[in-house]
This record gives sequence, structure tokens and C-alpha cells, in this order.
Amino acid sequence: KNQVEQSPQSLIILEGKNCTLQCNYTVSPFSNLRWYKQDTGRGPVSLTIMTFSENTKSNGRYTATLDADTKQSSLHITASQLSDSASYICVVSVHSGGGADGLTFGKGTHLIIQP
Amino acid sequence: GAGVSQSPRYKVAKRGQDVALRCDPISGHVSLFWYQQALGQGPEFLTYFQNEAQLDKSGLPSDRFFAERPEGSVSTLKIQRTQQEDSAVYLCASSLDPSGNTGELFFGEGSRLTVL
Repeated sequence: KNQVEQSPQSLIILEGKNCTLQCNYTVSPFSNLRWYKQDTGRGPVSLTIMTFSENTKSNGRYTATLDADTKQSSLHITASQLSDSASYICVVSVHSGGGADGLTFGKGTHLIIQP
Repeated sequence: GAGVSQSPRYKVAKRGQDVALRCDPISGHVSLFWYQQALGQGPEFLTYFQNEAQLDKSGLPSDRFFAERPEGSVSTLKIQRTQQEDSAVYLCASSLDPSGNTGELFFGEGSRLTVL
């Protein structure tokens, strides 16, 4: 069964500090891995999408890495800001088909940035 | 419109009432998904449309849940005889990609349903 596991479940850090969120997956056949940011009471917004051949991708202060061999991804946030407080969801997709099996969602990491 | 639009944003229903949640996807997007998100959890798949065809409804939790997209654009998720366990945020997402697997997936802001 396809699964996406995220850690930690929640994280509190001080403003200005860096942090790294982890995503491990058992999804096959792998197509791409996405990180979404979901602010409280809002819908998820895409941060990055990485395919098999990409092992790092940046979006401002967010840098995602992908190791397709170990089936692990990380999201690194540099110089955190209060606005980074949100849930970060890892989503892995398969090559074929759609619907229920097309995308597997993690439960998310709830990040709180304290001033 | 510029993004995926959902309405209502908030809905309070008494147990037993029927509710209808609307999703207006980005114009031209082929695939449309409905997800249910409980507090503190990731989105859980409900159903998927490719244009007007409902290709997968395996995630609908009971026959009280029904979704349609009759003209391949706007979609409605209907919940009959609501129960307290139906309380959740219902997210709609759309994509140009017919499967939704490879292309960018755009989410709406969600409809928060509270059943009393």
C-alpha cells in the first residue's frame, strides 16, 4: 500500500532559525513529489514539485531535496519568519492512473514560529 | 476566475440536514478532486472527475455522499442526512492534467462544515 510518512508531527522554533521537515514514502511507480504549505483555515498551496531526476529545488527560503533511492525527501526552511507558521504537507504521485491511487498525502508537519 | 473558488466557506448544519458544497475550478481544468480534511490531518481523497465523468468515487464514506460535475466545470458535493462525523473541511482541487498526477494541482480555500 502506498504510504507517506512525515516527521516531526509538530515543531516549534524561534523566528530566524532554520528547520528541516522530513518525508518518507513507499509509493510506486513514483512520478513526482510535492510539498504544500497550508495556512490555518486556508487551502494548500504548492511550494515545489520534484520529479525522479531532480534532487534539489528551491523556492525562496524553501529548499526541497529528494533521494529517490532511499525514498526520502526533506523541506528546509531558512531564516524562518512568523508567516512560515503553517502545516507542510508532502504528497507523492504515481505515474499512471488518477483518483484515489494517483496522489498519496502525508498527514503534515505543523510548524509554529515563535517571536 | 483566477483560482479555485469554493462556497460556502463555512456551513453549520443540524444533524439530519442535507448540505451542498460548490466548487468552481480554474477555467479549462480537466481534472477535479474532492478531499475531506479532519482537524490536524492531511486531506483524504473522496472523488475525482475528468471533465464530466466521475472516474473514481471510492473515497466517498457512505451513500449519503454524492458528487456531480454535469457540464465538466462546476462541481457540487452533496451530503444527505448529515451526521456529526461529517464535520470537516471539504477541499476541492483542479488541474489541467487529466489525471492530476503530473501537473500542478490547485486547491480552493475549502468549505468548513460543522454538524451540530
